[in-house]
Amino acid sequence: DAGVTQSPTHLIKTRGQQVTLRCSPKSGHDTVSWYQQALGQGPQFIFQYYEEEERQRGNFPDRFSGHQFPNYSSELNVNALLLGDSALYLCASSSGFYTEAFFGQGTRLTVV
Amino acid sequence: GIQVEQSPPDLILQEGANSTLRCNFSDSVNNLQWFHQNPWGQLINLFYIPSGTKQNGRLSATTVATERYSLLYISSSQTTDSGVYFCAPGDYGGSQGNLIFGKGTKLSVKP
Repeated sequence: DAGVTQSPTHLIKTRGQQVTLRCSPKSGHDTVSWYQQALGQGPQFIFQYYEEEERQRGNFPDRFSGHQFPNYSSELNVNALLLGDSALYLCASSSGFYTEAFFGQGTRLTVV
Repeated sequence: GIQVEQSPPDLILQEGANSTLRCNFSDSVNNLQWFHQNPWGQLINLFYIPSGTKQNGRLSATTVATERYSLLYISSSQTTDSGVYFCAPGDYGGSQGNLIFGKGTKLSVKP
């Protein structure tokens, strides 16, 4: 049983560019959440997708957007990259809400 | 929103020692997870424990939801236990259960 998978593993982008990160949830899961983890900090919630809709959003600007596909996989898009967007981006999947979440290995984004 | 405090922030142990990590949270929760983050960034599930006590090998956890805290016990620590431990309650107040993370406890186990 494959767990949560994310791609790519590492990414280097230039300030002002756009980036797309991808996540495939654990088999049987229908809810995907994205988190940003800055160095030395705990992960911070970006948004959550269920039934292809954004259901909940954390305190992140509109430059951060996402999508969920009919097969429950998800994308995180970040426009107009800033140096401060450099972080580890984590995807989590779960079966509905208030259930155990499982995380992928993360995508480490560096903005130069 | 809910606030999460973890203590201690840093912990250095000799291999074989026992330890207790604490997580305090400021509001009612309906789910809570403990994770171990390895040096490569992977968050590994330890416990899903909204209330009560669970054990898994050398690890055990207790959540007392009415008093708004959770504890993670590590017994007979090993060098492979090193890393950052996060407590993450689910935000109960009107949200869809997204996890709120503390700053973590950084554990170093010396041989």
